[in-house]
Amino acid sequence: ETGVTQSPTHLIKTRGQQVTLRCSSQSGHNTVSWYQQALGQGPQFIFQYYREEENGRGNFPPRFSGLQFPNYSSELNVNALELDDSALYLCASSPRDSRLYGYTFGSGTRLTVV
Amino acid sequence: DAKTTQPPSMDCAEGRAANLPCNHSTISGNEYVYWYRQIHSQGPQYIIHGLKNNETNEMASLIITEDRKSSTLILPHATLRDTAVYYCIVRVANSNSGYALNFGKGTSLLVTP
Repeated sequence: ETGVTQSPTHLIKTRGQQVTLRCSSQSGHNTVSWYQQALGQGPQFIFQYYREEENGRGNFPPRFSGLQFPNYSSELNVNALELDDSALYLCASSPRDSRLYGYTFGSGTRLTVV
Repeated sequence: DAKTTQPPSMDCAEGRAANLPCNHSTISGNEYVYWYRQIHSQGPQYIIHGLKNNETNEMASLIITEDRKSSTLILPHATLRDTAVYYCIVRVANSNSGYALNFGKGTSLLVTP
């Protein structure tokens, strides 16, 4: 059973650019969530996808968008990058009724905006 | 959304039990208490969760008070590898029946030799 894999592991972008981060969910998991973790802070919920549709969103602007594919993998896209977008971006997958299970997190993508 | 309160840091001697407290006084009846931990620069790792009964697995035990307003995570025999930030999370429902995890700042546990 494979876990959650994220790519790339590290990324440096320039302010104003766009970035795409990728996530492959754990086998058997059909729900994917994305979190942003700034240095020294706990992860903050960005949004969740189920059946290829956004299923809930945290307090993030529309320039944060995502996709989920039929194989349950997912992408996080961020447009017009700002310096404050520098953070660890975490992907988590779960079965649909995740009350019965914990979420499985990937190791994250470290994004640096300069 | 129910909030959680945890001490910012704790120390524990290797081999002793680590007892990490969490207050969640505004928890509602259908919200679960989850515990995760995060070792430096890695993704959070699920430890255990519960609704109202005490729970135990191979990693830890979770004790939830009868009024559900607080809980304690117990690592029975702490090792150096248990040094991490521990998050107590009350799981909330977000829109369209999805579920988000509201992480706070957690408790930084240092296990010392």
